[in-house]
Amino acid sequence: QQPVQSPQAVILREGEDAVINCSSSKALYSVHWYRQKHGEAPVFLMILLKGGEQKGHEKISASFNEKKQQSSLYLTASQLSYSGTYFCGTAPNDYKLSFGAGTTVTVRA
Amino acid sequence: GAGVSQSPRYKVTKRGQDVALRCDPISGHVSLYWYRQALGQGPEFLTYFNYEAQQDKSGLPNDRFSAERPEGSISTLTIQRTEQRDSAMYRCASSPRGATWLAQYFGPGTRLLVL
Repeated sequence: QQPVQSPQAVILREGEDAVINCSSSKALYSVHWYRQKHGEAPVFLMILLKGGEQKGHEKISASFNEKKQQSSLYLTASQLSYSGTYFCGTAPNDYKLSFGAGTTVTVRA
Repeated sequence: GAGVSQSPRYKVTKRGQDVALRCDPISGHVSLYWYRQALGQGPEFLTYFNYEAQQDKSGLPNDRFSAERPEGSISTLTIQRTEQRDSAMYRCASSPRGATWLAQYFGPGTRLLVL
């Protein structure tokens, strides 16, 4: 079952913050976040395991609420380099990821 | 070190032809995944290998699609009697092991166009 991401797209000015949400209808073992720039491969950002932990990568962090089967990705003080499409990948079992449709982030100067 | 590589990067073929797409994973990575990614969508799982064993092929659309990894390293995804609906980006990814607490590293993909 594909997770649902929201919003579909967001436009930011440099320095602004944004939140991307990822929801699943299934119990989750882990949530992955990837960023894909136009014409490139998805690049791994971080993994969150059940337990409600929060992780960070540069000024990008994420949380995972296993009870609500949701994860959120936080872009703080966005930079031009943050532009791209962000995908969450959810895992109900121990190896198989289902990816959302993505959230396109555009950061403008 | 070298990342995941795929070849060819672009493939144009006529309907009804067979195509073979190759994936060379990161050295030492045990697990290899094949995905298909439509424009504007996330990767869609096709199949998964641990070493040379195909553990899950539930995502392969039909029996025209097959994959192998005979020596536990390079993998080939074969599409027989291609149809226009097979046109897509095909990506592979590798991981140190088949566990979702480990990152998957994606290759650049093969863009397949069936005319």
